[in-house]
Amino acid sequence: AQSVTQLDSHVSVSEGTPVLLRCNYSSSYSPSLFWYVQHPNKGLQLLLKYTSAATLVKGINGFEAEFKKSETSFHLTKPSAHMSDAAEYFCVVSRGTSYGKLTFGQGTILTVHP
Amino acid sequence: EAQVTQNPRYLITVTGKKLTVTCSQNMNHEYMSWYRQDPGLGLRQIYYSMNVEVTDKGDVPEGYKVSRKEKRNFPLILESPSPNQTSLYFCASSLLSSNQPQHFGDGTRLSIL
Repeated sequence: AQSVTQLDSHVSVSEGTPVLLRCNYSSSYSPSLFWYVQHPNKGLQLLLKYTSAATLVKGINGFEAEFKKSETSFHLTKPSAHMSDAAEYFCVVSRGTSYGKLTFGQGTILTVHP
Repeated sequence: EAQVTQNPRYLITVTGKKLTVTCSQNMNHEYMSWYRQDPGLGLRQIYYSMNVEVTDKGDVPEGYKVSRKEKRNFPLILESPSPNQTSLYFCASSLLSSNQPQHFGDGTRLSIL
């Protein structure tokens, strides 16, 4: 079984300040983990992925995430928020050894204030 | 251009009237999947397919059917739609590997009255 919990449904930051979106997961297998972003009225776009290589993963648009097995966490960070980062973000876990079922977190809406 | 195409993008219909949402991808991907997105629940997987003629249930398959007769197409069928199937639906595809990202369509907004 696998599950994902995004710890914040809404996060609000000011432009230029750091972003932290939190994700905890549980999986009976070695997981693959992803972060996706969804802008209004759009499909989902991949930000970054973890697949058992480096634990610190760099993605697009300055985002990165760190896989911490001991804490079963995969938090998404960005040093400096931009207005264009305002969107909904989803943490996703897939079963590492057998690709098929994916489990999405509930989503975190990021608001960026000028 | 690599893409996943869903049709229709919007549909309002009535309870019990069979409908099909089509999904097509031009990337020769083995894996395809359908999700529904509801506020506060994120995306939930309905069905997925790991190759032609191979389909399996996701987390919320009740009330839906799928087929995978060709690699590029993966239609979602609602035989007898009900109001609780009003939702935003996404189709996605990827290469068949656990570390490959999914490519998403732009979504289909269904309203069942």
